Amino acid sequence: SQTIHQWPATLVQPVGSPLSLECTVEGTSNPNLYWYRQAAGRGLQLLFYSVGIGQISSEVPQNLSASRPQDRQFILSSKKLLLSDSGFYLCAWSEAGGEETQYFGPGTRLLVL
Amino acid sequence: AQKVTQAQTEISVVEKEDVTLDCVYETRDTTYYLFWYKQPPSGELVFLIRRNSFDEQNEISGRYSWNFQKSTSSFNFTITASQVVDSAVYFCALSEGTDSGYALNFGKGTSLLVTP
Repeated sequence: SQTIHQWPATLVQPVGSPLSLECTVEGTSNPNLYWYRQAAGRGLQLLFYSVGIGQISSEVPQNLSASRPQDRQFILSSKKLLLSDSGFYLCAWSEAGGEETQYFGPGTRLLVL
Repeated sequence: AQKVTQAQTEISVVEKEDVTLDCVYETRDTTYYLFWYKQPPSGELVFLIRRNSFDEQNEISGRYSWNFQKSTSSFNFTITASQVVDSAVYFCALSEGTDSGYALNFGKGTSLLVTP
């Protein structure tokens, strides 16, 4: 069966510090991968998606970036965090082909102070 | 523009009551997919159901049932005989298969509180 992992689970970072969140998927090959952000009291917003290694599409212009160095690894980064980057970050995967169901990881709670 | 509208921000019911969560969507595509996810206090999104636009059959899974009506662009979710464990935020989502790789457009969620 497939599983998706995210770490860290929680993170408190000062403004201006770098960020690296990691997401890995097990039990599948060539998945579509997604990063979503959920701000407090709001719905989920798609940040990035990837259909293959090195292929990243950005949905929201911001100071965040994503990378996919391996087939089942998706990384969310920032060089300098802003207060507005605080939120709950969720990684999701789906089977290749597009219209498949997305399954979400446990999420990372980020607080920027 | 908001593609998925969940008009009910918060709902509070007493255990064993039935409750319906509303979802209205907007799309110009003829092929699309609708989803419901549950987000318990732990935060993880739990997949509940997926329907494609060509299948309007209602579905029942235990105490959960879904009513998909293309004529009104609605995909409502009913919990029968609610339980305390049903307390969570429920999200309706739409996938249109556009340039965003079938990314999900989420509603803002309905927070359901079931009290004993």
